[in-house]
Amino acid sequence: AQSVTQPDIHITVSEGASLELRCNYSYGATPYLFWYVQSPGQGLQLLLKYFSGDTLVQGIKGFEAEFKRSQSSFNLRKPSVHWSDAAEYFCAVGDNYDMRFGAGTRLTVKP
Amino acid sequence: DVKVTQSSRYLVKRTGEKVFLECVQDMDHENMFWYRQDPGLGLRLIYFSYDVKMKEKGDIPEGYSVSREKKERFSLILESASTNQTSMYLCASSLLGPGRSLYQETQYFGPGTRLLVL
Repeated sequence: AQSVTQPDIHITVSEGASLELRCNYSYGATPYLFWYVQSPGQGLQLLLKYFSGDTLVQGIKGFEAEFKRSQSSFNLRKPSVHWSDAAEYFCAVGDNYDMRFGAGTRLTVKP
Repeated sequence: DVKVTQSSRYLVKRTGEKVFLECVQDMDHENMFWYRQDPGLGLRLIYFSYDVKMKEKGDIPEGYSVSREKKERFSLILESASTNQTSMYLCASSLLGPGRSLYQETQYFGPGTRLLVL
């Protein structure tokens, strides 16, 4: 069955430190891959997406993600976190028939 | 900018009441979605619609119905609210690009309605 796993429920990083949020999936073919961010009191906003081509994808707000087929992963990274990045992050994976969201990772940024 | 608005940010209802959640998008999108968001479960699709008067069940349609009489408006209806329907409800919309799959399109989300059923 298709599934999306975000292994980390909550991550705390210091401002200026690097960040990696993990996403693993179980889908048949090369899926459509997305990362969304949800700031407090807001809806979800797309950070980046991957369908094909270069496996390193650049997104908004300085985020990037790398598709690794052998590991069925699509991890989100940022080299230097800002306090405004504190939010909940959702990985989403789809194909031509459905889409599933991960449970989310809440990011706390320490001053 | 795409704007998706939801009629209420917070709603308190009693068990057995009929509840209407409204969603409006202003970008002429064909597709509209209703999700519920629960801690530890992420977003789960309740219903979606790819055209006026068209609807498809998602993963958890039980206890819900939807209505899409106009392209810009998609309503979620809880026929008889129950306490296990206490949740955050998110509406989203997306384009349908030529030759693309429904699930390739970026979804644009509203701010959500937090519903408490007592």
